[in-house]
Amino acid sequence: DGGITQSPKYLFRKEGQNVTLSCEQNLNHDAMYWYRQDPGQGLRLIYYSQIVNDFQKGDIAEGYSVSREKKESFPLTVTSAQKNPTAFYLCASSSSRVLGQTKNYGYTFGSGTRLTVV
Amino acid sequence: QQPVQSPQAVILREGEDAVINCSSSKALYSVHWYRQKHGEAPVFLMILLKGGEQKGHEKISASFNEKKQQSSLYLTASQLSYSGTYFCGTADSGGTSYGKLTFGQGTILTVHP
Repeated sequence: DGGITQSPKYLFRKEGQNVTLSCEQNLNHDAMYWYRQDPGQGLRLIYYSQIVNDFQKGDIAEGYSVSREKKESFPLTVTSAQKNPTAFYLCASSSSRVLGQTKNYGYTFGSGTRLTVV
Repeated sequence: QQPVQSPQAVILREGEDAVINCSSSKALYSVHWYRQKHGEAPVFLMILLKGGEQKGHEKISASFNEKKQQSSLYLTASQLSYSGTYFCGTADSGGTSYGKLTFGQGTILTVHP
């Protein structure tokens, strides 16, 4: 079955350490996104990518970095510059092109990674 | 800018109806609705595109008034399984925007037996 796989499910980061969150999809979706969710809040966009080798900053990109070397993969690195990284991180993908026409389709989300600073 | 959802929380008994509203200060191209159970990923419910359409999904339907930049989600004859947090996500431009969404803060829906 197609879907999005995020790993690990739980991640603990020490102060000053960089960590990378994995996101892989086999849905053949063009677009991929990273969102951060804090308790009781909505989802805030960190980075998004509409095509391989291209990505754009979202609303809260500071302290994060991404790469999109393959269509299936969109890893997120939380750097030491991110001062408050403890949160639930969600990766999503969507199919934005159908027969050459741009469409809007619903997101498919991964199961998330819960990152805690220790 | 983040869309505003109302109410922030609603408590129902099984069989009752509810309406959740989503309002944006920007012109909208599309509105998405998602439901998230505690500790899980959000699940896509439906998308409404510019044009004022109304869509349905079982006993859950939604409308989109592009002139008012508002969308409403209607839950009728609620079931226990409807409990969760509902998010609207808005895309403020179509064409090549590729569906980048800005999410509201969420509405917590609790259905009791």
